[in-house]
Amino acid sequence: DGGITQSPKYLFRKEGQNVTLSCEQNLNHDAMYWYRQDPGQGLRLIYYSQIVNDFQKGDIAEGYSVSREKKESFPLTVTSAQKNPTAFYLCASSKGRAERELFFGEGSRLTVL
Amino acid sequence: ILNVEQSPQSLHVQEGDSTNFTCSFPSSNFYALHWYRWETAKSPEALFVMTLNGDEKKKGRISATLNTKEGYSYLYIKGSQPEDSATYLCAFSNAGGTSYGKLTFGQGTILTVHP
Repeated sequence: DGGITQSPKYLFRKEGQNVTLSCEQNLNHDAMYWYRQDPGQGLRLIYYSQIVNDFQKGDIAEGYSVSREKKESFPLTVTSAQKNPTAFYLCASSKGRAERELFFGEGSRLTVL
Repeated sequence: ILNVEQSPQSLHVQEGDSTNFTCSFPSSNFYALHWYRWETAKSPEALFVMTLNGDEKKKGRISATLNTKEGYSYLYIKGSQPEDSATYLCAFSNAGGTSYGKLTFGQGTILTVHP
């Protein structure tokens, strides 16, 4: 079954700790994305990558970092510099251009204690 | 940051009612407009991707139209069923440059269909 796998589903973190969210896809898609959702708000783009070893900042990149060393994988690190990290995080992939639909993972919910 | 607005924020309808929602987006440098359905405890799923002014797409009881000149898209659901209950998201991309491939989402319309 082709799809996108995010892990973990739920994560608790203490303030001041970095945490990495995993996103793996086996759809052979070139592009991958990280979005964040907060209550009452739309999905906001954190980072996206159109190709291996390249990525761009989205609208709310501060306090986050990513890597794209393999086509299948696009991990997101939430650093201690992110002021409000508690949120629901969605990973997505597509064939690359904006006229192609996004395929989403099931999300990771991060709670900072 | 591009502004994508959806209305209404939420909607309650009875089974069998037809309904529609609006997505407004900047009309300059249009590239693509997406609609997604997001059911509780599931991943968002694509309904339509539209790229041309005047595009009309249909999937079963759901259809969408696009007006790029005035910057809006409508999503219609005919004869709503309880299983249509979900959050409906639209997403917009403008053309070229560093925005290539970048989608900006609206805040969504939450639809509840009562039996």
